Amino acid sequence: DAMVIQNPRYQVTQFGKPVTLSCSQTLNHNVMYWYQQKSSQAPKLLFHYYDKDFNNEADTPDNFQSRRPNTSFCFLDIRSPGLGDAAMYLCATSFTGGNQPQHFGDGTRLSIL
Amino acid sequence: QKEVEQNSGPLSVPEGAIASLNCTYSDRGSQSFFWYRQYSGKSPELIMFIYSNGDKEDGRFTAQLNKASQYVSLLIRDSQPSDSATYLCAVNEESSTLGRLYFGRGTQLTVWP
Repeated sequence: DAMVIQNPRYQVTQFGKPVTLSCSQTLNHNVMYWYQQKSSQAPKLLFHYYDKDFNNEADTPDNFQSRRPNTSFCFLDIRSPGLGDAAMYLCATSFTGGNQPQHFGDGTRLSIL
Repeated sequence: QKEVEQNSGPLSVPEGAIASLNCTYSDRGSQSFFWYRQYSGKSPELIMFIYSNGDKEDGRFTAQLNKASQYVSLLIRDSQPSDSATYLCAVNEESSTLGRLYFGRGTQLTVWP
């Protein structure tokens, strides 16, 4: 089945130790999104790509970066995680953006020690 | 700042009842509206989307949209315990060609046997 796959499902890292989360998709969608979701809060958009065109939300912290080396893969890099970065990170895709629905992967739960 | 407001809940209904979930939004130009279901610790799952005023039915789910009132709702008929989850309302940003969505914080629904 076509889908959005995130790895790992659970990630534990130490305060300040860089971490990379990955997302792949077999839907052949043009747009990929990264969200951060904390408990009982709405998902918060961090970045999105249309193909390789990168869009950074104005309030995304500077220690968050993203890469999309090809259509299928997208990565979220957190250079120096702080305790406040513990959250669920969600990857989503959309065929062309605009009015199209977004489809989410299973998420990566990030814990900071 | 564009806002999406949902009734805070938690909403508790007996099995077999109709659950009614409501959402208002501030961006008058929004054109597409989505309902996602999110089980505890899981990622959002798309269950309905609606673009035009009126009702859209899919099985036990009905989405209702009134753009003049900036109001969208989700009705769940014959509610089942498996419907117990948080329901997120999402609204697209009119000016976003990349499909930026604004999410509400969700309404937690409990269906008791």
